[in-house]
Amino acid sequence: GNSVTQMEGPVTLSEEAFLTINCTYTATGYPSLFWYVQYPGEGLQLLLKATKADDKGSNKGFEATYRKETTSFHLEKGSVQVSDSAVYFCALSASSSGNTGKLIFGQGTTLQVKP
Amino acid sequence: DTGVSQDPRHKITKRGQNVTFRCDPISEHNRLYWYRQTLGQGPEFLTYFQNEAQLEKSRLLSDRFSAERPKGSFSTLEIQRTEQGDSAMYLCASSFSTGQGMAGELFFGEGSRLTVL
Repeated sequence: GNSVTQMEGPVTLSEEAFLTINCTYTATGYPSLFWYVQYPGEGLQLLLKATKADDKGSNKGFEATYRKETTSFHLEKGSVQVSDSAVYFCALSASSSGNTGKLIFGQGTTLQVKP
Repeated sequence: DTGVSQDPRHKITKRGQNVTFRCDPISEHNRLYWYRQTLGQGPEFLTYFQNEAQLEKSRLLSDRFSAERPKGSFSTLEIQRTEQGDSAMYLCASSFSTGQGMAGELFFGEGSRLTVL
C-alpha cells in the first residue's frame, strides 16, 4: 500500500544551521507530494508541494525536490531560524485517486531551533 | 477569523458515552475532510464530503462513527459508545475543488481533542 516514512525526531539545531528532514514514500503511479508544518498551538499548514518528478517545491526558504528514482522528497533549508521550530509532516496524495485531498502522512518530525 | 473552526477544542468523556464534534469550513470551500491524529503520529484520513455528499470513508471509520454535512456547509462527526482507543485529535480540513476533481490546498482547523476515560 501507499506509505510515507520520515526521519525520527526531534531534530535540534542552532540558529542559521542547515536543515534536512528526510522523507521517502511508497506509492503506485505518480503521487503528488507535500510538506505540511504545524506550529505550536496552530493547525496544519501547507508548506510546499510538488506534483511530478523533478519538480522542486519552495516556500519561506524551504525546498524539496520530487525524486522518483529514489522515491524521496527531502525537506531542506539553508539557514533555520528559531521561528521555524515546529512539527513537519511529509504527505502524499496517491495518483490512483487523483488529488482528492485524501492525504497519507508520515509520522512527523519535530524541529527545535535554539538561539 | 475566516479559517476552519472546530468545536469543542477539547472533550473529556467516559467510556460508552456519545460525543459529537462540529467543523465549520471556510465558507466558499466545497470539500470537507475529517482526519484523526494520535500522539506521535501523522493524521489519518477518515472521510470526506463534496458539498453534502460523503464520497469516501476509510476502513478506519467503524460503525460507531458517523459524519454528516447537511446543506453542504458545516459538518458533524459523531462517535457512539466511545472506547479508550478513540482518544485522539480529530482534525477537520476544507478545500475548494475544481471541476476536474482536483482538491486544491487543504486548510486545517486546530482540531478537537478527545479523551476517553
